[in-house]
This record gives sequence, structure tokens and C-alpha cells, in this order.
Amino acid sequence: EVQLVESGGGLVQPGGSLTLTCGASGFTVNSNYMNWVRQAPGKGLEWVSILHGGGDKFYADSVKGRFTISRDNSKNTMYLQMNSLRVEDTAVYYCARGGLDGMDVWGQGTTVTVSS
Amino acid sequence: DIQMTQSPSTLSASVGDGVTITCRASQTVSGWLAWYQQKPGKAPKLLIYRASSLKSGVPSRFSGSGSGTEFTLTISSLQPDDFATYYCQQYNSYPFTFGGGTKVDIK
Repeated sequence: EVQLVESGGGLVQPGGSLTLTCGASGFTVNSNYMNWVRQAPGKGLEWVSILHGGGDKFYADSVKGRFTISRDNSKNTMYLQMNSLRVEDTAVYYCARGGLDGMDVWGQGTTVTVSS
Repeated sequence: DIQMTQSPSTLSASVGDGVTITCRASQTVSGWLAWYQQKPGKAPKLLIYRASSLKSGVPSRFSGSGSGTEFTLTISSLQPDDFATYYCQQYNSYPFTFGGGTKVDIK
């Protein structure tokens, strides 16, 4: 079964760090485009970052320089390292597989709360 | 960045109604547009990709059209399971961007 499972969310103080994990099954992350998308409470969807199969990485302006996307091929897992967290980074974070045919597989989401 | 504007933001309809949601891009995205459905507390689900291609398993009452800067999602006959929020998303250029969403609720 093709599946994504996120973990690593939690409560962190402003300025703190957190690393989110997205484990894949049924396909390999290094052969696909992999995304992070977030949704602040009561708000719409916001694309955060993408990691191409070939290794190229792109970020939303709002997280550039603070967040880093990466993967571990041996674990078939993708990560989002988040530094210098701000209150406005509070959201449910989803990982999603997707490239030219849209984001077709999504995880269940993990909640990040940035608060003092 | 490409801005995506959806209208309406809320739509009230009845079971059996046909509904259309519009998505406009601030500059051309060619045909690189997707539509998603999201229900409260759940992850989004892909409905349409490349503006008009129906994802496998999605009911045929959903259809997408458009190119360039103007796109539509049409539900031909609303079913109880279709009451949800719908988002368009461009993936023509980075950063990818989503529309603000259209909530379809029961009249």
C-alpha cells in the first residue's frame, strides 16, 4: 500500500528547532518529487518545500533560510528541519508525494505549535 | 510569486445541484493546475491534475477545465460526500501556490 506517515510535531518555543519526519511505504522517495505543505489553524493550504528525485530543493519565501528539506534513501524517509521557529509557523504539516501529476499521496499530518 | 484567486469563497448548494468553482492565476500557469478536496481534520485529496485530468478513482461527476490563467472545477451533481473545501494549486513555477479555498456547504 502506498502510504506516508508524518511524525515529530510538538510544542516548541519561538526561536526553537524541530525536525519533522515523513516515512514512505509502497514507493521510494528518491524516485519521486516530495513536498511539505502546511495549514495554519483555520486557514488554507500553504506549500512549504519540495525535494526532487534528483536532489534539487526549493522553498517558500516564508521559510527560506530557516527550514531544510532532506531525505535518507536507506530509510525511505524525508525530513523537514525547522530552525528559528516563529509563532506564525504554527500549523499542521503534511508531507505529500507529487510532481507533474499533482500531489497524489498525502500523510495524515503532524501538528507543530510554536508558543511561549 | 503567482497569486491564485478562487471564487466564490463559500458556496451553498443542495444535493443534486451542479456547481462551478473558478480559479484565476495572476500570470499564466499553462496547464499546470491541480484541484484538491479537503474535509475537516483530514488531509487534502487530489481530484484533478494538469487542469483537466481526473485522478483514478475520483467520481466522473468532477471535471476540470481551463488553461493559462483561468480554470474551473465543476461538480455535475452534488452528492452528500462532496460537501467540503476545495483548493486549486499551481505547479508551473516555484513557489507553488494554492488558492484561498472554496467551502461548499449545504443550503
